[in-house]
Amino acid sequence: GEDVEQSLFLSVREGDSSVINCTYTDSSSTYLYWYKQEPGAGLQLLTYIFSNMDMKQDQRLTVLLNKKDKHLSLRIADTQTGDSAIYFCAESIRGANNLFFGTGTRLTVIP
Amino acid sequence: KAGVTQTPRYLIKTRGQQVTLSCSPISGHRSVSWYQQTPGQGLQFLFEYFSETQRNKGNFPGRFSGRQFSNSRSEMNVSTLELGDSALYLCASSPEISTGALAKNIQYFGAGTRLSVL
Repeated sequence: GEDVEQSLFLSVREGDSSVINCTYTDSSSTYLYWYKQEPGAGLQLLTYIFSNMDMKQDQRLTVLLNKKDKHLSLRIADTQTGDSAIYFCAESIRGANNLFFGTGTRLTVIP
Repeated sequence: KAGVTQTPRYLIKTRGQQVTLSCSPISGHRSVSWYQQTPGQGLQFLFEYFSETQRNKGNFPGRFSGRQFSNSRSEMNVSTLELGDSALYLCASSPEISTGALAKNIQYFGAGTRLSVL
């Protein structure tokens, strides 16, 4: 199956780093994605990583992928109050053109 | 470029009615996917259209249907509405035309249509 799991909540202080974790089960994943959803809004693509990479950095965002353990993480450096939102990891698998989403992690940034 | 546009943003319907939601993809994108988001089930894939053909379908009853027009705009229809159909319906467009192993399948989402069924 295509089970994608995330912890539900994370709270951090402004200026600290946030690390949001995700595990997936399908070994035929091709790309993995991180999306952000703010209240009342759709999903905003933050970044993505190809399944044969282990790290990708994009400004304050660092994605780490451990393919052996099927574990994906998103690190946000210098977290700001505007980063408060729900973060979804998602995978696409070979031969399918839809995404399988995790449950979402609600990040709360405390000023 | 304009983003993905979904109309209407909000809808209130009663049980048994039907509803049609509309999605205009990013210019040049030919793939349009629909997802249902609920607090209990999270984000679930409904179907995907490419070049006016349904290319992929999720596990939803036949009351949920869709179509795509020659300009890539898409509509989804839900007939005989049930209370459990209350959800945020999200449309996403993708420039990807392949479903092969290296397909990036990056999807860009609209703001969604929030449907409330009373």
